[in-house]
Amino acid sequence: RKEVEQDPGPFNVPEGATVAFNCTYSNSASQSFFWYRQDCRKEPKLLMSVYSSGNEDGRFTAQLNRASQYISLLIRDSKLSDSATYLCVVNGGSYIPTFGRGTSLIVHP
Amino acid sequence: GAVVSQHPSWVICKSGTSVKIECRSLDFQATTMFWYRQFPKQSLMLMATSNEGSKATYEQGVEKDKFLINHASLTLSTLTVTSAHPEDSSFYICSAPKGDTGELFFGEGSRLTVL
Repeated sequence: RKEVEQDPGPFNVPEGATVAFNCTYSNSASQSFFWYRQDCRKEPKLLMSVYSSGNEDGRFTAQLNRASQYISLLIRDSKLSDSATYLCVVNGGSYIPTFGRGTSLIVHP
Repeated sequence: GAVVSQHPSWVICKSGTSVKIECRSLDFQATTMFWYRQFPKQSLMLMATSNEGSKATYEQGVEKDKFLINHASLTLSTLTVTSAHPEDSSFYICSAPKGDTGELFFGEGSRLTVL
């Protein structure tokens, strides 16, 4: 089993749709969690950190479920500009980050 | 502004030459930096962990004599692709963790094309 797993997609949704991604991790000692966004031929950029209590930033909501060892990202009211690859990053106790392979989102008109 | 800077952004070289890529942390000290490679439409692959003042830790399958990593200061790590060949053409990205949570900051990436 891979340490961090994501459904690669692509998720193909219309503008305005709500879409959710999950990411599972195998290391129960993992301490910090992030969602990054990567546009084509660009470096990843932090979208949001994921806190135990869950957190929201505008149209984006991140949740952490430690018991089931997964994190989620919910995007409401999708925009064309949301089209990108979304990377789940999990830090273990040694702070060596582990990446999921990314989930591709395509928002169409 | 950028927290981690990577240079050069683009490089085209002839087969057999060596190419050096620099990764700098701009406003913090990074004892650890990570080097990744990404082929088109594929995920980021960790190549090695660069440790300031000690040898880099390479991932399985990554040739340490081919990809030389030097982390001579707390703000600079370099990756040298030695005797580059066309199959080394890729997008190379560095990152450094910052703060208590280890949030990763990425360089802008370096696109290497070996002719």
